[in-house]
Amino acid sequence: EIVLTQSPATLSLSPGERATLSCRASQSLSSYLAWYQQKPGQAPRLLIYDASNRATGIPARFSGSGSGTDFTLTISSLEPEDFAVYFCQQRSDWPLTFGGGTKVEIK
Amino acid sequence: QLQLQQSGPGLVKPSETLSLTCTVSGASISRSDYYWAWIRQPPGKGLEWIGNINYSGNTYYSPSLQSRVTTSVDTSKNQFSLKMSSVTAADTAVYYCARLPVVAGRVNWFDPWGQGTLVTVSS
Repeated sequence: EIVLTQSPATLSLSPGERATLSCRASQSLSSYLAWYQQKPGQAPRLLIYDASNRATGIPARFSGSGSGTDFTLTISSLEPEDFAVYFCQQRSDWPLTFGGGTKVEIK
Repeated sequence: QLQLQQSGPGLVKPSETLSLTCTVSGASISRSDYYWAWIRQPPGKGLEWIGNINYSGNTYYSPSLQSRVTTSVDTSKNQFSLKMSSVTAADTAVYYCARLPVVAGRVNWFDPWGQGTLVTVSS
């Protein structure tokens, strides 16, 4: 099973600041990694797929990078609605697995 | 626009079987380029993939759950379902359904998701 480790667990930032979230895989994923955003009481929403492609309707301030085992989600300038939990997920191999999540909270 | 609507009981007794249904609107569940997936999230915790099924009954299950999980598709109702047997308190979670497209023979990403159903296992 591929293990995804997200860091940090919590990121405390102010609106307008840059957020950098990390996801590290226990083995190479090529580019088969996605990022999801989850707000309280809501289902996760696909943000980034195949490491660097924004899903439909996702603002340009969200960007993804990386390949192999190290991936990054960057939010260039935090908006109030961006404070949420972010999960990474791999589709390189079965079973499909998720990272433990990073909570982006208001400082 | 594809939407997923979940239904099923929110309370299940220990040792009994959890049953949930996801109704698909805006697309045919019989499309050969879609799998239909279940994911769960214990309160305050992360996401766990349970399994997925396609219209012809091909399935993939999490190794840790496969002995207790069954999924099915009802093409006449455009629905798919999850059954999990012998539940315990550890199965208390929000359960989500989601579409899992297939591209070039490989599953893609969970999108969209159903609204989620909190299932509590308690006597």
